[in-house]
Amino acid sequence: GQNIDQPTEMTATEGAIVQINCTYQTSGFNGLFWYQQHAGEAPTFLSYNVLDGLEEKGRFSSFLSRSKGYSYLLLKELQMKDSASYLCAGLDSNYQLIWGAGTKLIIKP
Amino acid sequence: DAGITQSPRYKITETGRQVTLMCHQTWSHSYMFWYRQDLGHGLRLIYYSAAADITDKGEVPDGYVVSRSKTENFPLTLESATRSQTSVYFCASSESERGELFFGEGSRLTVL
Repeated sequence: GQNIDQPTEMTATEGAIVQINCTYQTSGFNGLFWYQQHAGEAPTFLSYNVLDGLEEKGRFSSFLSRSKGYSYLLLKELQMKDSASYLCAGLDSNYQLIWGAGTKLIIKP
Repeated sequence: DAGITQSPRYKITETGRQVTLMCHQTWSHSYMFWYRQDLGHGLRLIYYSAAADITDKGEVPDGYVVSRSKTENFPLTLESATRSQTSVYFCASSESERGELFFGEGSRLTVL
């Protein structure tokens, strides 16, 4: 079956770095998405990886290893506003998105 | 520049009633989606549409009906609401089948 696994909750300190991991099993693969969702709001797009390697976008970076079925989202210089849920989603061979349950990130001062 | 809007934002209804959630996008995106989000679950796809007059079932379509007579609108109807359909519903649109999703603000539905 198809599955996305990511930790339920993580805690980090303001100013620090945090890595949120995601492992995926999909029928075929057409890319891996990360979305951010603040409490009570809609998800917003962060990144899309389809090739192996690291994509950097400001304080946020996303990494993909297709051979390992693994991705991570790296957040640097954490700010209080980064407190949110981070959703990992894999795009299968039929272009259907398979969503993880999300990782709730708590930032402490 | 409204983007994608959903209405109503909040709705309380009773078991057995029909409810329609509206979704409107101004970008002329081909793809539109309806998801539900419940605690402990990832986003679950209810229905999607690749273009006007083309709709397809997602992971959890039972009890829901959609239509797409115009590119910009994608209403979701619960024909006879049940308590298990209490959820937050998100509409989303995308330019392509591998493009990023743009989500509406969500519709919080409570079925009593």
